Amino acid sequence: DAGITQSPRHKVTETGTPVTLRCHQTENHRYMYWYRQDPGHGLRLIHYSYGVKDTDKGEVSDGYSVSRSKTEDFLLTLESATSSQTSVYFCAISEYLADSNQPQHFGDGTRLSIL
Amino acid sequence: KQEVTQIPAALSVPEGENLVLNCSFTDSAIYNLQWFRQDPGKGLTSLLLIQSSQREQTSGRLNASLDKSSGRSTLYIAASQPGDSATYLCALSGYSTLTFGKGTMLLVSP
Repeated sequence: DAGITQSPRHKVTETGTPVTLRCHQTENHRYMYWYRQDPGHGLRLIHYSYGVKDTDKGEVSDGYSVSRSKTEDFLLTLESATSSQTSVYFCAISEYLADSNQPQHFGDGTRLSIL
Repeated sequence: KQEVTQIPAALSVPEGENLVLNCSFTDSAIYNLQWFRQDPGKGLTSLLLIQSSQREQTSGRLNASLDKSSGRSTLYIAASQPGDSATYLCALSGYSTLTFGKGTMLLVSP
């Protein structure tokens, strides 16, 4: 299995509080991604990174920010959490972009509940 | 915008049966198509990746096909086993990102 660790695995917090999710990889892959998975919507891309300090928005980026100060760590921050951000969040990594013949590898997810 | 549809949403079969999962997409300008498996409470595991120039890929009991002209892909599972029970997702790649279907939940009963 690809070396991807997401922390925390579960979190319950209140509306309006800041939340940071961490993704750590040991594969030295260039690309890292944050997705959210919701019933009825499937997986949707929030943000992705193509190198240290290089990030771009995905389909559902509003209300989220990301940072990547080291190759191995990609942080997802909810500045002021809302109930609509209750979801399961997945981090993924890949050596190449999605147009290559190499798949993305996924972490086990973080289940976030915002009350 | 790429839209990906998976049919059926759920499928229940007895052990040993051969089965087909379907994935359709609206934009044929793709780089590759991937099939993933997701177990409850877990992340996604890549099963097969078909590049846009290919028509099919095989791995063990799994065979995936791609027909870009009709916007369809199928995942064929031969001689299904209870351990195959999971949600199966297809994903289409654009230049930098993947677009996922909502998945087919498969239950294989002993």
